[in-house]
Amino acid sequence: DAKTTQPPSMDCAEGRAANLPCNHSTISGNEYVYWYRQIHSQGPQYIIHGLKNNETNEMASLIITEDRKSSTLILPHATLRDTAVYYCIVRPNSGYSTLTFGKGTMLLVSP
Amino acid sequence: DVKVTQSSRYLVKRTGEKVFLECVQDMDHENMFWYRQDPGLGLRLIYFSYDVKMKEKGDIPEGYSVSREKKERFSLILESASTNQTSMYLCASRPGGGTDTQYFGPGTRLTVL
Repeated sequence: DAKTTQPPSMDCAEGRAANLPCNHSTISGNEYVYWYRQIHSQGPQYIIHGLKNNETNEMASLIITEDRKSSTLILPHATLRDTAVYYCIVRPNSGYSTLTFGKGTMLLVSP
Repeated sequence: DVKVTQSSRYLVKRTGEKVFLECVQDMDHENMFWYRQDPGLGLRLIYFSYDVKMKEKGDIPEGYSVSREKKERFSLILESASTNQTSMYLCASRPGGGTDTQYFGPGTRLTVL
């Protein structure tokens, strides 16, 4: 019973923006959108999260649609080191909730 | 920088052995987690802990137990290892409060023969 839908894979040229979509049409009002990534042979790494406003940090930008049913993670200038599996997760902002990782999107950045 | 360390990167054990996987975090985080990751199944939560001596079952606790005697250390125990417990085991920690910025260790690849 997946709460998010992501494409299984995407390609991006080095130096270009990578735009990773996520559909979460059943998101509840108190649920945040989290993005993590996992580089091969490493543990997952937190990227960014948001509720309804767009967010930006040193790693990425998160654009959430006005109806909150979908979002896009943007890596503005992808590098080869950004090749990873990217996970979009929705979760209530409660200390007693946990993350449920789906299958994610495998992003391949090529020279 | 938050650092989460796991006792071994690779471990090979025999069926029936008792296995301890240790995880240590250095940021005084209240919450700690154990996941396993298998091809095609993604990350699945085994157990988590909100505080010292507290534990909660995750999605797949069967065959595992945990121990949290000190805030910085969270141990995963396989009482009698079986071949279907061959997997990548990942530990994570998270500060208290509502947001879920988890910090993961490098993982332990356990093979049970």
